Amino acid sequence: EVQLVESGGGLVQPGRSMKLSCAASGFTFSNYGMAWVRQAPTKGLEWVATISYDGSSTYYRDSVKGRFTISRDNAKSTLYLQMNSLRSEDTATYYCTRDLGGGYSELDYWGQGVMVTVSS
Amino acid sequence: IQMTQSPSLLSASVGDRVTLSCKAGQNINNYLAWYQQKLGEAPKLLIYNANSLQTGIPSRFSGSGSGTDYTLTISSLQPEDVATYFCQQYNSWYTFGAGTKLELK
Repeated sequence: EVQLVESGGGLVQPGRSMKLSCAASGFTFSNYGMAWVRQAPTKGLEWVATISYDGSSTYYRDSVKGRFTISRDNAKSTLYLQMNSLRSEDTATYYCTRDLGGGYSELDYWGQGVMVTVSS
Repeated sequence: IQMTQSPSLLSASVGDRVTLSCKAGQNINNYLAWYQQKLGEAPKLLIYNANSLQTGIPSRFSGSGSGTDYTLTISSLQPEDVATYFCQQYNSWYTFGAGTKLELK
């Protein structure tokens, strides 16, 4: 059974940093691209970043470029999202997702999500 | 690519045939997925490539469309189908529609 379990969320002040993790199991992690998708309270879904199966390629939405870094450790089957210079508009639930095509496909499995609140 | 879903809210009765619409701002070549999100839960993939049913999803769900216009149909609405439904295009990166909230009448 595919499982994606996020951790690392919480309350953080504007301008500070936070790192999210996503532990994957039930599939060969190193064979799949992965992505982060977020959802602000009572809002819709917004793609944040994608990483290829081997970590060699990364892609970001414009609003997080230069502030967020997606990475992975295939030996640990873990996906990360380093978030720097956080803003109030980054407040959202962040979902770890499996991205079959690494930027060109549906997102077939989602974690339960982790809440990030940016506030002073 | 902008994705526009309609209606934003839909009320229907158990057993009804329900149709949800999603319109892309440009041709997305059938690179469209539908997700179901129940209250407090993560989204779940229902349909990919516009009309392919994800494994384990009931056959009452179906997708159709081409070019810029796509539809999710529930052939006979069940109480457990109450949720918000999102479409997503992956022809050019990823954008999602704002969602259609489906409730029971």
